[in-house]
Amino acid sequence: DTEVTQTPKHLVMGMTNKKSLKCEQHMGHRAMYWYKQKAKKPPELMFVYSYEKLSINESVPSRFSPECPNSSLLNLHLHALQPEDSALYLCASSPKPGQGANYGYTFGSGTRLTVV
Amino acid sequence: AQTVTQSQPEMSVQEAETVTLSCTYDTSESNYYLFWYKQPPSRQMILVIRQEAYKQQNATENRFSVNFQKAAKSFSLKISDSQLGDTAMYFCAFILDSGTYKYIFGTGTRLKVLA
Repeated sequence: DTEVTQTPKHLVMGMTNKKSLKCEQHMGHRAMYWYKQKAKKPPELMFVYSYEKLSINESVPSRFSPECPNSSLLNLHLHALQPEDSALYLCASSPKPGQGANYGYTFGSGTRLTVV
Repeated sequence: AQTVTQSQPEMSVQEAETVTLSCTYDTSESNYYLFWYKQPPSRQMILVIRQEAYKQQNATENRFSVNFQKAAKSFSLKISDSQLGDTAMYFCAFILDSGTYKYIFGTGTRLKVLA
């Protein structure tokens, strides 16, 4: 299995809702990432998990809450989002922390989030 | 600070022809990696090709090849025998070989392959 699977593919949520995005990989990768991508822009790094521990938070607002329950699964919990948070949310993984440089990342197809 | 510049926002090419996408970068470091990622309408970012800065030989992956000019800080992507499935946004990316996680992405080039 050489894929990163993200669910759901599309999500529409109100500003008072709580929802979660899910990312799963079975490649044995020990680093996982959340990226946010606005239309016609490159992805922006949000969070990095290294061996299931949060190692980097790129000053992301607390309404985004990541979670890594095990080495295969990464969640992004969403609460009280704003319309400007509407974007494509991409998950990625790499074999070992710090070795994204050597191998490149494997990305999922993303969740298209719309906040109304 | 590192920067990556893609000066061609949009390009088009006829099917079966060759196209070159430009990328320049700026860094004072000597050890780094460069990548081209492709993002088709399916949205998934797909690694096309990568280049280690310490290697002089240009990387090649099937129809995709790069022209890496380290002194000029240039890293262009050549797509030969273009196919309709090559239609996508292409991002040039840079990362230091220092255990950092963070890519520096260019702003992207939207490539359309015409039938």
